[in-house]
Amino acid sequence: ETGVTQTPRHLVMGMTNKKSLKCEQHLGHNAMYWYKQSAKKPLELMFVYSLEERVENNSVPSRFSPECPNSSHLFLHLHTLQPEDSALYLCASSQDSRGTHGYTFGSGTRLTVV
Amino acid sequence: DAKTTQPPSMDCAEGRAANLPCNHSTISGNEYVYWYRQIHSQGPQYIIHGLKNNETNEMASLIITEDRKSSTLILPHATLRDTAVYYCIVRVQATDSWGKLQFGAGTQVVVTP
Repeated sequence: ETGVTQTPRHLVMGMTNKKSLKCEQHLGHNAMYWYKQSAKKPLELMFVYSLEERVENNSVPSRFSPECPNSSHLFLHLHTLQPEDSALYLCASSQDSRGTHGYTFGSGTRLTVV
Repeated sequence: DAKTTQPPSMDCAEGRAANLPCNHSTISGNEYVYWYRQIHSQGPQYIIHGLKNNETNEMASLIITEDRKSSTLILPHATLRDTAVYYCIVRVQATDSWGKLQFGAGTQVVVTP
């Protein structure tokens, strides 16, 4: 366990479904991130939250909607996804918004859109 | 942030030292060198980072050339559990910038018995 917990570990959803991915950290970190890792592609940064405020949205389609209700929790709400959205979704956190002490990643949610 | 170049893959014998090179010829004076690794189907794991001086921790050593245009990650005694993709990343640490990591393709390291 890294201290960053992601649930569920695996998710299969239809294109018309609505689901949410959850990330939780109790490391006292102030910044949280969503990354997407598609097959044979580098990790892509999706969203950054610093002190519960979204500071970056990397041109992510609106069918992905993040939510950060407090500094310990981060959600990614999914709706009307496409098969090409199938990927490993990784959450990360850092102690401060500069990432001075490195980033801690969760184990990810393996998403399959059918 | 500066780009990095790593070999796509390398093999290493168990028990031997693994030396992973990284070129970052366009690195700026305020950019740090970070190394992460990703074991299959897991999230990336922080290994080490440095600015100018060589660094060592319980996992690895980081050797940065004097001109800072390249670096080498050293795993002193590779084990089968070190098989992973290793990422070399350079990024700025500034008081007013929030953290962001840009991952490349990395080096697939396979440790063999």
